[in-house]
Amino acid sequence: SYVLTQPPSVSLAPGQTARITCGGIKIGSKSVHWYQQRPGQAPVLVVYDDSDRPAGIPERFSGSNSGNTATLTISRVEAGDEADYYCQVWDSSSDHWVFGGGTKLTVL
Amino acid sequence: QVQLLQSGAEVKKPGASVKISCKASGYSFTSHYIHWVRQAPGQGLEWTGKINPTSGTTYYTEKFQGRITMTRDTSTSTVYLELNSLRSEDTAVFYCVRLADTYYFDYWGQGTLVTVSS
Repeated sequence: SYVLTQPPSVSLAPGQTARITCGGIKIGSKSVHWYQQRPGQAPVLVVYDDSDRPAGIPERFSGSNSGNTATLTISRVEAGDEADYYCQVWDSSSDHWVFGGGTKLTVL
Repeated sequence: QVQLLQSGAEVKKPGASVKISCKASGYSFTSHYIHWVRQAPGQGLEWTGKINPTSGTTYYTEKFQGRITMTRDTSTSTVYLELNSLRSEDTAVFYCVRLADTYYFDYWGQGTLVTVSS
C-alpha cells in the first residue's frame, strides 16, 4: 500500500519558518492534506488539497506539493504551533486513506 | 455547527467486546461518509475503515477485518464501532471523522479511549 514518510521531529526558535515534509512516490499527482494535533486533543485540519486553508486557520500555514514531496510551511512560528503534524492522502489504487507517521514540531 | 460527539472512555478485559458511538449534528447525516481513525498511545494516526450513512455499506482495513463492525442509526444520526476479541494491543483512542466532499477529513470527534487490560 502507499507509504508516506515524514521526519520524526523539527525544532526551531519562535519567529522562524518551519517546513515539514511528506514524501511519497509521485505524491505530486495526489491531493495532500495536513492535520495539527496538540497534546491531548483531536487532530484539526490545517491545509487541504495541497494548499487550501479551512476557515479560521492563519495565513501563516501554507502547503505545496510537487514530484515526490509535499511540504507544510508554517511562517513566524509561535509557541502555540507546537504540536504533531500529519500528512494524509487518498490512495486511489487501494481506496485507502493513508497517514504519514507524523512530525513533532518543537518551538524552542 | 457541525459536531461529532463520541461516547466516553471504556475499560475492557482481554477477549471482551466494546461498542462506541459517534453522534453527528449540524449537517445532513446522510450526506457525508463517516470514517474511523485509531491512535495507539504515543503513536500516529491509523485509518481503520468507513461507513456510508445512507446505505450502511462498510469497508474495513485488513488489519481489523473479522473483528470490527461499523453500523449506523439514521433515526438518531449516530454511527457505531464495535471491536471484538479485544487484546492489550487494541488499547487506543478511536476518532470518528467526517469525510469532506473530496478526500480529507474536515471534522473530528473528540476521541474515545478504549483500554484493554486484565
